[in-house]
Amino acid sequence: GESVGLHLPTLSVQEGDNSIINCAYSNSASDYFIWYKQESGKGPQFIIDIRSNMDKRQGQRVTVLLNKTVKHLSLQIAATQPGDSAVYFCAETKIRDDKIIFGKGTRLHILP
Amino acid sequence: EAGVVQSPRYKIIEKKQPVAFWCNPISGHNTLYWYRQNLGQGPELLIRYENEEAVDDSQLPKDRFSAERLKGVDSTLKIQPAELGDSAVYLCASSLDGRRGHLQFFGPGTRLTVL
Repeated sequence: GESVGLHLPTLSVQEGDNSIINCAYSNSASDYFIWYKQESGKGPQFIIDIRSNMDKRQGQRVTVLLNKTVKHLSLQIAATQPGDSAVYFCAETKIRDDKIIFGKGTRLHILP
Repeated sequence: EAGVVQSPRYKIIEKKQPVAFWCNPISGHNTLYWYRQNLGQGPELLIRYENEEAVDDSQLPKDRFSAERLKGVDSTLKIQPAELGDSAVYLCASSLDGRRGHLQFFGPGTRLTVL
C-alpha cells in the first residue's frame, strides 16, 4: 500500500553541525511532500514543503531535497541548535485527496 | 493568534468507559481533522470536516467512535466504550480549507490512557 517511511528512528548530531534526516516514499503520484517537527507534548508543526515538480526548496536554516528518481526526500538543518531536538516526520499528500500520510518519524538528539 | 485548542490534555480511564475530546480550531479555519497518533508513529487521520460536514470518515471505527461539529466550529470526538488499544494521543488540526489541506495546524493533543 501507500506509505512514507524514514530510514533511521534516531539521529544524534553535535550542536552546531548540520543535520540530515532522510525519508523514502513509495507513492509517485503525491503532489506535495512535507516535513513536520513534533516536540514533546505538542502536535506536529509544519516546517517546509516541496511540490513534486521541484528538486529543492530552502527555508530559514532548512532545506528540503526531493529525488524522484529514487523516491527519496531529505531535510537538512543547518547549524543544529538545542531547540531543534524533536521528532521529525516526512509526509506526503495529493491535492485531490487532501489526506496527509505520515511516516514513522526520526528523533533528533542534539549533543552538547 | 490563538492556535488549535484541545481539552483535556490528559485522560486516564478504565476500559469500557466512555471518553470525549474537545477541539476548538483556529478562527476562520473551515476544515477540521481528528488524528490518532500511536507511540512512535505518525498521526493517522480518523475524520475530516468541511464546515459541519464530515467529508472523510473512512478511517473512523464507527462501532465505538463518533464525532460531531454541529456549528462548523468546535468539534468533539467520542469513544464508547474505550478499549485498551485506544490508548494514544488524539490530535485535532485545522486548515483554512481543503484545497491546501497540507497546511494544517495541529493542537497539542489529548493523551488517552485506557487501563
